[in-house]
Amino acid sequence: EVQLVESGGGLVQPGGSLRLSCAASGFNLRSHWMNWVRQAPGKGLEWVGNIEHETSEKQYADSVRGRFTISRDNAKNSVYLQMNSLRAEDTAVYYCARVIPGAVDSWGQGTLVTVSS
Amino acid sequence: DIVMTQTPLSSPVTLGQPASISCRSSQSLVHSNGNTYLSWLQQRPGQPPRLLIYKISNRFSGVPDRFSGSGAGTDFTLKISRVEAEDVGVYYCMQMTEFPWTFGPGTKVEIK
Repeated sequence: EVQLVESGGGLVQPGGSLRLSCAASGFNLRSHWMNWVRQAPGKGLEWVGNIEHETSEKQYADSVRGRFTISRDNAKNSVYLQMNSLRAEDTAVYYCARVIPGAVDSWGQGTLVTVSS
Repeated sequence: DIVMTQTPLSSPVTLGQPASISCRSSQSLVHSNGNTYLSWLQQRPGQPPRLLIYKISNRFSGVPDRFSGSGAGTDFTLKISRVEAEDVGVYYCMQMTEFPWTFGPGTKVEIK
């Protein structure tokens, strides 16, 4: 069974940093692009970025480019989201999600990040 | 960026009756490889999103056959043939044809 478990969320002050982790199990992480998607409280879904499985090429949303960095460690079956220079508008539940050809098919339960003083 | 719009934004439906959600993209979702990367996701209250349909009309594993997708180019539709109580939630269309990947605003399906 595919499982994605996010961790690392919490309360952080504006301008601060946080690193989210996504532990993957039940599939070969090396074979999949991986995504981060976020959802502000009561709002819709926003794609944050993803990381390719072979070259680790990354793509980011304009709203986070230059502040967030996605990385992966296939040996540890993990994907990461390093978030710097956090703003109030980054407050959201952050989901880790797996990509298959043509779709995002598996999602974690999410981890809440709150940016507030 | 490709903008995704959905109508309606709210859909009160009667149990056992059909429901339909429309999704429109600001430009064609046909990829240079010929595929159209339009998906539908369901998000039940308090749950993460769940994939229902991918590449317009392919039902994902375990998804009941009362869910179907159709469309082409810039106009797409998700249909629920007979709404059940467990279908309550928010439905999103999503495009993966071009970066940044983008979502529609969501359509809330609730029971009358």
